[in-house]
Amino acid sequence: IILTQSPVTMSASPGERVTLSCRASRTISNTLAWYQQRPGQAPRLLIYEASSRAPGVPARFSGSGSGTQFSLTVSSLQSEDFAVYYCQQYYSWPLTLGGGTKVDI
Amino acid sequence: EVRLSESGGGLVQPGGSLRLSCEGSGFTFSDYAMTWVRQAPGKGLEWVSVVGNGDGHITKYADSVKGRFTISRDNSRNTVYLQMSNLRAEDTAVYYCAKDEPWGSWGQGTLVTVS
Repeated sequence: IILTQSPVTMSASPGERVTLSCRASRTISNTLAWYQQRPGQAPRLLIYEASSRAPGVPARFSGSGSGTQFSLTVSSLQSEDFAVYYCQQYYSWPLTLGGGTKVDI
Repeated sequence: EVRLSESGGGLVQPGGSLRLSCEGSGFTFSDYAMTWVRQAPGKGLEWVSVVGNGDGHITKYADSVKGRFTISRDNSRNTVYLQMSNLRAEDTAVYYCAKDEPWGSWGQGTLVTVS
């Protein structure tokens, strides 16, 4: 299953609302996760089952979608949110990730 | 607090072998599947392998490493291993271990350089 993320890069300002997209090459129900990776750090799970926030994740992060179209929304960007975001499907083997969306200032 | 700590990375020549380890703490290790994910320099994340919970008899591999890498676990040591052989330049990456599925906790990674 190929995951295509768009855009590849986006520029935004603090306080802005942004939406990142992830499209699957075939249906994956809701078995999709989102990860955030800040520079020099390991990834961190944000969202699982397409729309459930992982423990400790701020409420400004939300996920939606099912089937083949998914999105991650950050309602009001904070300085620590400028990072790379990856979607990942766990519907079938091999597990796959999208190429990432870099959110920069 | 869940902690994952990788070790075993380093510089190896093409065709060589290396074994990575990942020790977990702060959770019942045997209850969880454990995964290896890698990231080549400046690139995205790539799933490498997973070992199921319990005795670890269920294992899966990415096509890019199948036949060359072997994942295993030792629950008595709270450790998952990745035995890598016949290494290639394209295996150069930071290797992360991660807990559960999806990957709720990650280690800080260990760098493998094949050159």
